[in-house]
Amino acid sequence: GENVEQHPSTLSVQEGDSAVIKCTYSDSASNYFPWYKQELGKRPQLIIDIRSNVGEKKDQRIAVTLNKTAKHFSLHITETQPEDSAVYFCAASRMDGGSQGNLIFGKGTKLSVKP
Amino acid sequence: DSGVTQTPKHLITATGQRVTLRCSPRSGDLSVYWYQQSLDQGLQFLIQYYNGEERAKGNILERFSAQQFPDLHSELNLSSLELGDSALYFCASSVLTSGVDTQYFGPGTRLTVL
Repeated sequence: GENVEQHPSTLSVQEGDSAVIKCTYSDSASNYFPWYKQELGKRPQLIIDIRSNVGEKKDQRIAVTLNKTAKHFSLHITETQPEDSAVYFCAASRMDGGSQGNLIFGKGTKLSVKP
Repeated sequence: DSGVTQTPKHLITATGQRVTLRCSPRSGDLSVYWYQQSLDQGLQFLIQYYNGEERAKGNILERFSAQQFPDLHSELNLSSLELGDSALYFCASSVLTSGVDTQYFGPGTRLTVL
């Protein structure tokens, strides 16, 4: 089955700096890669996602890149702010045209943005 | 607010007991997924239902079962509870958008087994 590795497990940056979180996946049939942000005690919230037919996607300060050949994808946050502090999870799933889209998650990255 | 609701918010029970967690998906969503989040195992997929039928199974123990009712709400039943079952249980519901099954998570139920 699919396995998703996520690095680093913790990341501390100064406000205004960039943060990069990397994930690798094992199943070449995976074709959908969402990123979730989870604040302490709260639900995971979708922040951005990318499909395998796209190499990069950007939404304001957040971008995701995908390298299908190497089977890795990354989350980039620019101009970080203290409110970006949270745990970030990458995930992978296979969309077969039906709704079999159970997500396989990485272990998470705890991002701390210091003011 | 994602529109997905879960009850109860917190549940404290003893080993050996049985509990039921409830999830109401967003209006119009046909799929419900259940995930378990523990400190050592992260977020793990348990089971998926689509329009009342089981669609996919993940790392769900035999002591756990789920179902989705005609009104599309879902229940996760956990029996013969063990200390290790203490975790956050999330459900997510999904809508097919441009061929992608985007999942929105509920607020979770925190289960504590003493």
